[in-house]
Amino acid sequence: EPEVTQTPSHQVTQMGQEVILRCVPISNHLYFYWYRQILGQKVEFLVSFYNNEISEKSEIFDDQFSVERPDGSNFTLKIRSTKLEDSAMYFCASSESGLLQPQHFGDGTRLSIL
Amino acid sequence: GENVEQHPSTLSVQEGDSAVIKCTYSDSASNYFPWYKQELGKRPQLIIDIRSNVGEKKDQRIAVTLNKTAKHFSLHITETQPEDSAVYFCAAGASKIIFGSGTRLSIRP
Repeated sequence: EPEVTQTPSHQVTQMGQEVILRCVPISNHLYFYWYRQILGQKVEFLVSFYNNEISEKSEIFDDQFSVERPDGSNFTLKIRSTKLEDSAMYFCASSESGLLQPQHFGDGTRLSIL
Repeated sequence: GENVEQHPSTLSVQEGDSAVIKCTYSDSASNYFPWYKQELGKRPQLIIDIRSNVGEKKDQRIAVTLNKTAKHFSLHITETQPEDSAVYFCAAGASKIIFGSGTRLSIRP
């Protein structure tokens, strides 16, 4: 069964540095998403992406964050000037078509800001 | 803003008994309601979903019900087994999915 893959599995970064989290969505999927889950808490929507542009974003997704589809397979989340509170698990997801279709999650990247 | 409330936060049931998790949502435009199961340290996995044009859906031991008028929906797991132990999240959305706070389900042998 095809899967969403994310790299790295764990990223440790100094506060103030920039990080890029990478995702390879399922190949025939057209919608891509990033979510955040702080340890022990709920999954929080960050952004959705379709046709090379942001479809929807949450209040969390401010100017510190950006997303990009640099080629035909990768989907990235960039976090600039990282803060301690950015420490969380970041999940990428993809769906075949729009919101009313199942979203398949990757295994996540655990981001630790020191 | 949009909000999804989920209850209970923890639930312990005897193996073989049923478990029920309830959620309410605030955005009346919501038309998609997925349920995810998350085991410790793992990804959320979709276990069942329902759309607003359907009131009930069943898949083996799992069923979901939706009451759009009252803006609440529920997950029912029958004949619970030890492998059902996990955190379950409800979610609701129209243009984006908002997750509930999760229910930690423990199955007692």
